[in-house]
Amino acid sequence: QKEVEQNSGPLSVPEGAIASLNCTYSDRGSQSFFWYRQYSGKSPELIMFIYSNGDKEDGRFTAQLNKASQYVSLLIRDSQPSDSATYLCAVNMNTGNQFYFGTGTSLTVIP
Amino acid sequence: EAGVAQSPRYKIIEKRQSVAFWCNPISGHATLYWYQQILGQGPKLLIQFQNNGVVDDSQLPKDRFSAERLKGVDSTLKIQPAKLEDSAVYLCASSLRLAGELGNEQFFGPGTRLTVL
Repeated sequence: QKEVEQNSGPLSVPEGAIASLNCTYSDRGSQSFFWYRQYSGKSPELIMFIYSNGDKEDGRFTAQLNKASQYVSLLIRDSQPSDSATYLCAVNMNTGNQFYFGTGTSLTVIP
Repeated sequence: EAGVAQSPRYKIIEKRQSVAFWCNPISGHATLYWYQQILGQGPKLLIQFQNNGVVDDSQLPKDRFSAERLKGVDSTLKIQPAKLEDSAVYLCASSLRLAGELGNEQFFGPGTRLTVL
């Protein structure tokens, strides 16, 4: 089992719809969870992080964390074509300060 | 505020040659990371420094890769000798908080794209 798993996609949604991206992780003691966006040929940029169970909202983005299920998700409301990118889930695991990224989910927002 | 700087941006070498990458983190950031990102995969953490000490290097192939962070600021990552499978983008990131702290946000540099022929 990989430390962080994501559905590689591609995920396609129409403009204005809600995009839902999911991530599971293996280490139950993990503390911090991050969502990064990566455009093709560019480096990852942080969207938001979460470390408490529940929802955290920032503009059109909502991160959801369920530690009991070892599951973290990202919702993008009112999706725009400019949101088309690969979304990377990253987890700061409790053991040895390890930091793991998933393989990313490719999102395409169709105008 | 200036971001993370990396150089060179691109490098092409032949297998068995050596190569070095340089990173200058955001001013004041204590923690510095080197990642390897192979095409189609997520970044893989190679080594993590806190100031000038190594926090974690468990995924660094130490037979060919080495890294240092002198004076707790700039860092270099070296590969000697390179193999075909080392072709990847090498990303440097830095964070203000210490390794393991909650919400330890990392900021990435533009990366160095390495091609090994």
